[in-house]
Amino acid sequence: QITLKESGPTLVKPTQTLSLTCSLSGFSLGTSGVGVGWIRQPPGKALEWLAYISWEDDKRYSPSLKSRLTITKDTSKNQVVVTMTNMDPVDTATYYCARFAVTLTTTPFDHWGQGILVTVSA
Amino acid sequence: DIQMTQSPSSLSASVGDRVTITCRASHDVGIFLNWYQQKPGKAPKLLIYAASSLQSGVPSRFSGSGSGTDFTLTFSSLQPEDFATYYCQQTYSSPLSFGGGTKVEVK
Repeated sequence: QITLKESGPTLVKPTQTLSLTCSLSGFSLGTSGVGVGWIRQPPGKALEWLAYISWEDDKRYSPSLKSRLTITKDTSKNQVVVTMTNMDPVDTATYYCARFAVTLTTTPFDHWGQGILVTVSA
Repeated sequence: DIQMTQSPSSLSASVGDRVTITCRASHDVGIFLNWYQQKPGKAPKLLIYAASSLQSGVPSRFSGSGSGTDFTLTFSSLQPEDFATYYCQQTYSSPLSFGGGTKVEVK
């Protein structure tokens, strides 16, 4: 069974750096053809793609957030970590990690974590 | 960057209705178009990928069509559990992008 679970702080102060971990189960980023992305959703708003990392360590970022984001993988721990610097109240959102696999021709996000609500407030 | 525009942003419908929502890409994305369903407080769920391929376990009343820049998601007969918000997403090129969502509400 494939599962993903986000963990990290639920409250951060403005200007702080957010670090979120996605723990993977049922698949490995050491396996060819898979990857993990991060997506966020401000309360009541639409989904916004942030970044992804592939099994071969290909990393892509949202241009609007690229200067603030870093995504890494730890294959031995089966985890993906995303960090976002200089947090602002507008970054308050539910943050999701999700898996993609090239076995589905257009590499959609076929499994999602439950999400973690991160609030940015002093 | 490719922008995804969904219409309508919301609609009201009744159980048993045939419903169609649309998604338009600002550039040709081929069939690299996916649809997700999201219920309140839950993570999105993949319904359709490659514009028209039904994800495993998704009921056949859902169907997708289109290619290039214009796509549709159709419910052949709306069921009570289908009231939710639906998002399209292009995975043709990075940056990946989602549409603004279509909320399907009870009439």
